[in-house]
Amino acid sequence: GENVEQHPSTLSVQEGDSAVIKCTYSDSASNYFPWYKQELGKGPQLIIDIRSNVGEKKDQRIAVTLNKTAKHFSLHITETQPEDSAVYFCAASNYGQNFVFGPGTRLSVLP
Amino acid sequence: GAGVSQSPSNKVTEKGKDVELRCDPISGHTALYWYRQSLGQGLEFLIYFQGNSAPDKSGLPSDRFSAERTGGSVSTLTIQRTQQEDSAVYLCASSLGPSSGNTIYFGEGSWLTVV
Repeated sequence: GENVEQHPSTLSVQEGDSAVIKCTYSDSASNYFPWYKQELGKGPQLIIDIRSNVGEKKDQRIAVTLNKTAKHFSLHITETQPEDSAVYFCAASNYGQNFVFGPGTRLSVLP
Repeated sequence: GAGVSQSPSNKVTEKGKDVELRCDPISGHTALYWYRQSLGQGLEFLIYFQGNSAPDKSGLPSDRFSAERTGGSVSTLTIQRTQQEDSAVYLCASSLGPSSGNTIYFGEGSWLTVV
């Protein structure tokens, strides 16, 4: 079955700097890769996603890149703000069936 | 409602008791998922329902765990004879169904504490 690894497990950056979180997956059949942000005491919320036929996608300060050959994808947050502090999860899915999540990255943006 | 609704939001139960957790998916969503999240940990897949198909129960940790989905909408996760290690947040999610790009949307979770 699918296995998703995520690094780093914790990340601290200064406000205004960039943050990068990387994930790798094992199943070459996976074709959909969403990223979720989870704030304390809340459910995960989708922040950006990418399909396997696209190499990069941007939404304001957030971008995701996908390398299907190497089976890895990354989340990039630019101009970080304190409200970006949260736990971020990547996931891989094969046609919207079982979503397998990475273990999460705790991002702290220091003012 | 607009989002996935879960109840109760918090539940404290005594070891050995049974608990039921409810999930109301987004209207029109045919796929429903249950995940478990222990404190500070990742998301552990439990069970997946899609339409009228047989559910994927491959993630249920023991036979004390079961789930059903009535009428293709509301789902109930039941934990029998609860143990302390069952303490976790139980997250429900739903999606439009199995298709590339159909993401899942989570509820706020049910926090279960077994004492």
